[in-house]
Amino acid sequence: ILNVEQSPQSLHVQEGDSTNFTCSFPSSNFYALHWYRWETAKSPEALFVMTLNGDEKKKGRISATLNTKEGYSYLYIKGSQPEDSATYLCAFTVNTDKLIFGTGTRLQVFP
Amino acid sequence: GAVVSQHPSWVICKSGTSVKIECRSLDFQATTMFWYRQFPKQSLMLMATSNEGSKATYEQGVEKDKFLINHASLTLSTLTVTSAHPEDSSFYICSARDAPPTGKWAGANVLTFGAGSRLTVL
Repeated sequence: ILNVEQSPQSLHVQEGDSTNFTCSFPSSNFYALHWYRWETAKSPEALFVMTLNGDEKKKGRISATLNTKEGYSYLYIKGSQPEDSATYLCAFTVNTDKLIFGTGTRLQVFP
Repeated sequence: GAVVSQHPSWVICKSGTSVKIECRSLDFQATTMFWYRQFPKQSLMLMATSNEGSKATYEQGVEKDKFLINHASLTLSTLTVTSAHPEDSSFYICSARDAPPTGKWAGANVLTFGAGSRLTVL
């Protein structure tokens, strides 16, 4: 059974703190790794799709890295703001069109 | 950017009734839509893949006669929960790809999601 683990499950930080989350996935037959940000009552929003080992992507204060050999990806948020409060989902795919999601990391940033 | 509109956001129904959830792609053609279900504290679980003009492909353990999926046009896919029971109470969400596969497989394409539908069956 293909499984995606995300840690921590939840995180509370102060405004201005930097933080990071982990997504672990099976390393065999890897094809792509996705990160989504999901605010309450809204649609999940795509942040990154990464396919190559060693990939690093950045979008404003948010960045992600990928290690396909050991099966993990990190998502970093620099200088967290209250508007960063959301659930961050990762999902991976092997050689198919289907994504397998983790349970997410719920981030709350306090002013 | 690409938008998927999902309705209703909330629905409460009596046991034994049927409920229809709609997903519309507003500014793109979605040849493929995915339907997921999420139980509390669990991950999004793929229920079925819906292709325009053809039968949906259901994941193992998902009853196709209970969860009817129709993808009659390039912009509309519907999920009907037939004869709903309390155990069907869950969060249902759709997603679609707004572009052809970028590689050998479409798994590297981003997904555009609806906002989800919370179903409560009394």
